[in-house]
Amino acid sequence: SQELEQSPQSLIVQEGKNLTINCTSSKTLYGLYWYKQKYGEGLIFLMMLQKGGEEKSHEKITAKLDEKKQQSSLHITASQPSHAGIYLCGADIDNDYKLSFGAGTTVTVRA
Amino acid sequence: GAGVSQTPSNKVTEKGKYVELRCDPISGHTALYWYRQSLGQGPEFLIYFQGTGAADDSGLPNDRFFAVRPEGSVSTLKIQRTERGDSAVYLCASSSGVPYNEQFFGPGTRLTVL
Repeated sequence: SQELEQSPQSLIVQEGKNLTINCTSSKTLYGLYWYKQKYGEGLIFLMMLQKGGEEKSHEKITAKLDEKKQQSSLHITASQPSHAGIYLCGADIDNDYKLSFGAGTTVTVRA
Repeated sequence: GAGVSQTPSNKVTEKGKYVELRCDPISGHTALYWYRQSLGQGPEFLIYFQGTGAADDSGLPNDRFFAVRPEGSVSTLKIQRTERGDSAVYLCASSSGVPYNEQFFGPGTRLTVL
């Protein structure tokens, strides 16, 4: 079973539209990591959040960690075909460096 | 610099055989992790090395699985008497651990046990 719950499981968005993915834990997150994976490939590191309330942005992708450090969201603005893929949240939930992952959210961008 | 590399990219073997999967981490990274990813799931932790020693092997499913990192760089994951249920993508990640533990992943080895 996954210790991190991601929602939605999949989504289809029209090119140019925004989308949001959520990642929720019942435990405190000591570090929250967002990765992107294309089918059959490895994980590409996107962003890491450490502090409650932290927000980071890179190009059109913004990630936030809530104050309680139990939930994170990933928001993509004006989606493009290059944003298609599987987005995974990973977290250190035992403060021991190893990561637990959600099951992933599959994003499809329609032209 | 080069990222994490893994070989082979694909491995097909027969039930009962022995396999070795290799990981070459980013130069200078002292921490190395092995994860296993099944279809439709996120990666699951197997083992973590800090330097040459296995700091945490709590994720290894049974004693058929073993991993080494003799010189603190390259690591080999070894699976004895493979079973069909071992089929998965085996991912390796490395981290400098300083100041934060960003883990950078390799492309993975897809293992298929027939």
